[in-house]
Amino acid sequence: DGGITQSPKYLFRKEGQNVTLSCEQNLNHDAMYWYRQDPGQGLRLIYYSQIVNDFQKGDIAEGYSVSREKKESFPLTVTSAQKNPTAFYLCASSGLDRVNQPQHFGDGTRLSIL
Amino acid sequence: QKEVEQDPGPLSVPEGAIVSLNCTYSNSAFQYFMWYRQYSRKGPELLMYTYSSGNKEDGRFTAQVDKSSKYISLFIRDSQPSDSATYLCAMSMNTGNQFYFGTGTSLTVIP
Repeated sequence: DGGITQSPKYLFRKEGQNVTLSCEQNLNHDAMYWYRQDPGQGLRLIYYSQIVNDFQKGDIAEGYSVSREKKESFPLTVTSAQKNPTAFYLCASSGLDRVNQPQHFGDGTRLSIL
Repeated sequence: QKEVEQDPGPLSVPEGAIVSLNCTYSNSAFQYFMWYRQYSRKGPELLMYTYSSGNKEDGRFTAQVDKSSKYISLFIRDSQPSDSATYLCAMSMNTGNQFYFGTGTSLTVIP
């Protein structure tokens, strides 16, 4: 089945620790995105990438980092500089071969602070 | 003012009712409009995708876009308890590849 796989489903972070969230897609999509979802705030864009080895900051990139070494993979690292990391993190992808194809989402990773 | 406004609800209806969910927006450059359904602890699932103004129907779901009023709607006919979820609207422009989301409306369909 084609889709987006996020892991782990739940993640706990200790103070001062960096953690990495995995996102893999087999839809052959060029663009990939990371969003943060908080209650009542909707989806906020953290980072996005339209091509391997290139990515752009979104609205709330501070305290996060990403890499795009393969087309299928777009991991997100939540660093210790992110002081309020507790949230639901969503990875999405979309094709770029036609104008503005819709995004498809994974099932998210819920990050909590220990 | 947010670019996309959506009433968070919650909205509660009896089974079989017609549900109307709405979003308004301020940016006239938006050309593509989407509705997503999100169950608790899951990612959003694409329901409807429309371009410019008009209606699109898919089974019990109808998406309506009125660009002159900057207003989009999702209608659910013969609502079922399985329709209980949060519904997100989203939109994008002709250029670039960024998407703008509403905050979501929580819907409960009571058996």
